[in-house]
Amino acid sequence: DTAVSQTPKYLVTQMGNDKSIKCEQNLGHDTMYWYKQDSKKFLKIMFSYNNKELIINETVPNRFSPKSPDKAHLNLHINSLELGDSAVYFCASSQGGGSNTIYFGEGSWLTVV
Amino acid sequence: SQKIEQNSEALNIQEGKTATLTCNYTNYSPAYLQWYRQDPGRGPVFLLLIRENEKEKRKERLKVTFDTTLKQSLFHITASQPADSATYLCALDIYQAGTALIFGKGTTLSVSS
Repeated sequence: DTAVSQTPKYLVTQMGNDKSIKCEQNLGHDTMYWYKQDSKKFLKIMFSYNNKELIINETVPNRFSPKSPDKAHLNLHINSLELGDSAVYFCASSQGGGSNTIYFGEGSWLTVV
Repeated sequence: SQKIEQNSEALNIQEGKTATLTCNYTNYSPAYLQWYRQDPGRGPVFLLLIRENEKEKRKERLKVTFDTTLKQSLFHITASQPADSATYLCALDIYQAGTALIFGKGTTLSVSS
C-alpha cells in the first residue's frame, strides 16, 4: 500500500489550461503539504494544511488553489498554467507538523508547453 | 531571511570511503534538523532527525552531528557503497509550531566502485 499517493504522475499540458493534481495519504496523519521542485532540484514549500485548515501559504500565485476535503486528501488546482509552472510537485504528510518525519509521494511531473 | 546551504552540489568518492556532507543555516535557531535522501525520479525519504540538545545521532552506517553554535550539521556515511549514490537533503523546521520543513538544495553523492 502506498502511503502517500498522488495522481497523475505525468502531465503535459498547454499554456493557459487548468489542471488538478490529487493527493491521498493513508497514514492517518493530520498535516499535509505541497512542495514544488524546480529544474534546479530546489524543493520549496508551497502549502501546509493541518486538519483541513490552511497553515502555510508560501507566497504562491493565487492561480494555485489547494483544497483539502478531509484530513486524508489534499488536492492542488492550477489555473491558467504558465511555462514557469513546469516542475515536479510533491505531496507529503506528517503527524503534528514539521518537527516530525515528513512522508513524500512519488511526485507529479508537470510540463507546460 | 532564513537560509539553508549545503555547500557542495556534488560529491564524488570511492567505495569504502567516508562521505561527509555539510549543511549550514543562518538567521534561525531550529529545534530539529532532519536529513532526507532523494533518488532520481522519486520523492525524498527520511533518514535521520537530530534535536538541538543532541550532539550526534547514529543509524547503521549513518551519523549526523548538530552544532548549534556553528549553525551546522554534518552528515557522514561510513564504508560508502555505490547504492548510497543519491541526493541528500537537509531540512529545518523554521515555522512556528513546527508546521513545515524547508529544505536545502541538496548534495548529490556519487560513490564509484
